[in-house]
Amino acid sequence: DIQMTQSPSSLSASVGDRVTITCQASQDINTYLSWYQQKPGKAPRLLIYDASNLETGVPSRFSGSGSGTDFTFTISSLQPEDIATYYCQQYENLPFTFGPGTKVDVK
Amino acid sequence: QVQLMQSGAEVKKPGASVKVSCKASGYTFTGYYMHWLRQAPGQGLEWMGWINPDSDVTKSAQRFQGRVTMTRDTSISTAYMELTRLRSDDTAMYYCARDRRDYAPGTLASWGQGTLVTVSS
Repeated sequence: DIQMTQSPSSLSASVGDRVTITCQASQDINTYLSWYQQKPGKAPRLLIYDASNLETGVPSRFSGSGSGTDFTFTISSLQPEDIATYYCQQYENLPFTFGPGTKVDVK
Repeated sequence: QVQLMQSGAEVKKPGASVKVSCKASGYTFTGYYMHWLRQAPGQGLEWMGWINPDSDVTKSAQRFQGRVTMTRDTSISTAYMELTRLRSDDTAMYYCARDRRDYAPGTLASWGQGTLVTVSS
């Protein structure tokens, strides 16, 4: 199975800050990577697919980049409603696997 | 709009089975892969498998093979996931999720609200 790691595991930032989360795959996954946002008590929401494509309806302050084994997710200007846990997920190989998540708080 | 409505919470004893349903609306049910995932309390997301509702082909994670069965009823646009020989560590929220694309499954674009399955003696 492809192992996904994320860092940091949690972070706290101020409204308006730029927030960056990294995700690393244990082997080359090309750009077969998605990012999800999950708020407490809710189902996850797809934000980014194919490493850098913004899902329809998702605010443009969210972005993703990378290919191969190293990926980055960025919130350009953190908003209070962005408090959530963010997960990366690979779909290069079965089984599809997720990173452990990054919990984002607002200071 | 795409909607996935899952069945209600279940409480099961160890060794029992559970069957969760996921009724789809707002799109052509047979046009998109349907995935099943779970999330144990306070833990991350775990992909269990997918079903192609058109062909009825399924793929599941090896750790669930032999215990998970994914089916569908196209007449009522509903997918099902049955998990057998339940253990306490199967206690989790179970989600269905529709793929974003009608080919090359992997992007989970629309999610059900989740079904909490509790396994306890």
